[in-house]
Amino acid sequence: KAGVTQTPRYLIKTRGQQVTLSCSPISGHRSVSWYQQTPGQGLQFLFEYFSETQRNKGNFPGRFSGRQFSNSRSEMNVSTLELGDSALYLCASSIGLVSPGELFFGEGSRLTVL
Amino acid sequence: EDKVVQSPLSLVVHEGDTVTLNCSYEVTNFRSLLWYKQEKKAPTFLFMLTSSGIEKKSGRLSSILDKKELFSILNITATQTGDSAVYLCAVEINQGGKLIFGQGTELSVKP
Repeated sequence: KAGVTQTPRYLIKTRGQQVTLSCSPISGHRSVSWYQQTPGQGLQFLFEYFSETQRNKGNFPGRFSGRQFSNSRSEMNVSTLELGDSALYLCASSIGLVSPGELFFGEGSRLTVL
Repeated sequence: EDKVVQSPLSLVVHEGDTVTLNCSYEVTNFRSLLWYKQEKKAPTFLFMLTSSGIEKKSGRLSSILDKKELFSILNITATQTGDSAVYLCAVEINQGGKLIFGQGTELSVKP
C-alpha cells in the first residue's frame, strides 16, 4: 500500500512569508503527527491529530499550526517565517487508536528560509 | 522537563563487529519506548518496547528495556555496511503520538 506522502518535498521561502505543508497518511490511518528535524535540536514534536482533533501539542510558538481533514489528510502552516524555521518537517501516521505504536514517516518537506 | 539521551552520539566500527547503543530517559508519563533507523530519508521503525526485561529481536538486531533504571539498549551483531545510519530512540508520553526523541547515534560501519 502507498506510504505517507508529503508535499512539497523542497521549498525555499524568505523571512516573513508563510508556508503550508501537506501530508497524506497511509490509508486507514487516522492519526497524523508532525515533527521538526534540525541538526541542532534533532526531532521535535509539533502536534498530533486524530479524527480531525488535535490531541497533543509540542512547545512551539503559535506561528505553527495544523489541521486535519475528514479524509485524515493533514496540513501544517508556519506563518511569519524566521531563519530558524529552516528544517526538515516530517509527518508520521499511525492507526492511532490508543498508542501510536509503529509510526510510519513520510520523507519530509525540507524548508529553507532565506 | 521530559528528556531522552542517547550515547554514544557517533560510532565507527568495522564489519562484523557488535555494537551496543544506549538510550536513557526521564519522562513524566512513560507509555512506550521506540527505536527507529534513519538513513538519508524517513525514519523506519525497528522496535517498540513497553515491558521491562523482555528482549525484542529481529535478525541481527535486538533491544531490551529496563523501566526501573530508565534505559534501553539496542544491540546489533555482525554489523554490515548497510547498518550505517542514525539510530533514534524515542519515548512515547501521553496518549496521542507524542514522542520525545533522543539526539540519535550515528553509526558508521566500515568494510
